[in-house]
Amino acid sequence: EIVLTQSPGTLSLSPGERATLSCRASQSISSAYLAWYQQKPGQAPRLLIYGASSRATGIPDRFSGSVSGTDFTLTISRLEPEDFAVYYCQQSGTSWTFGQGTKVEIK
Amino acid sequence: EVQLVQSGAEVKKPGDSLKISCKGSGYSFTSNWIAWVRQMPGKGLEWMGIIYPGDSDTTYSPSFQGQVTISADKSISTAYLQWGSLKASDTAMYYCARRDCSGGSCYSDYWGQGTLVTVSS
Repeated sequence: EIVLTQSPGTLSLSPGERATLSCRASQSISSAYLAWYQQKPGQAPRLLIYGASSRATGIPDRFSGSVSGTDFTLTISRLEPEDFAVYYCQQSGTSWTFGQGTKVEIK
Repeated sequence: EVQLVQSGAEVKKPGDSLKISCKGSGYSFTSNWIAWVRQMPGKGLEWMGIIYPGDSDTTYSPSFQGQVTISADKSISTAYLQWGSLKASDTAMYYCARRDCSGGSCYSDYWGQGTLVTVSS
């Protein structure tokens, strides 16, 4: 089973700051099947990024994704108040797995 | 507009059976896989399994194989998740999600609102 390890567990930042979230795969995976989701309390997850670096429809361009080998990164260039949430990476190539999540909280 | 609408919250006792549903609309239900995802209280997302409503081809996560049954009725555009005998540890929010693919990439673009299942004696 492919394990996705997200770091850090919690990121404490202020609005306007840059957030960098990491997702490391335990083995090589196709970037085509790596996605990022945002989840706010009491809500279903929302697709942000697919194919490791493509923004989903309606997602602001302050969100971006990148990949280097088995390391995937979600960057939020300037945090807006509505961006404080939990973020999950997911691979859907060989079976599906989610990372354990990174909580972005207000400092 | 694509929508996945799930059935309402359930409160059950250990040993009860349960079937929850996820109704798709606004797209061709038989053309996209539907996944089920568990979220236990205060925890992360866990993939349970996936079904292709067109032919009911189903794959389960090893963690959930034999614990739940995923099915679909394409005539009413509805996918199901069912338990034969609930345990307290099945208490969780359950989401359905549509899998779509574009340009060689695949992802879950639409999610149901979630069904909260509470199992308590």
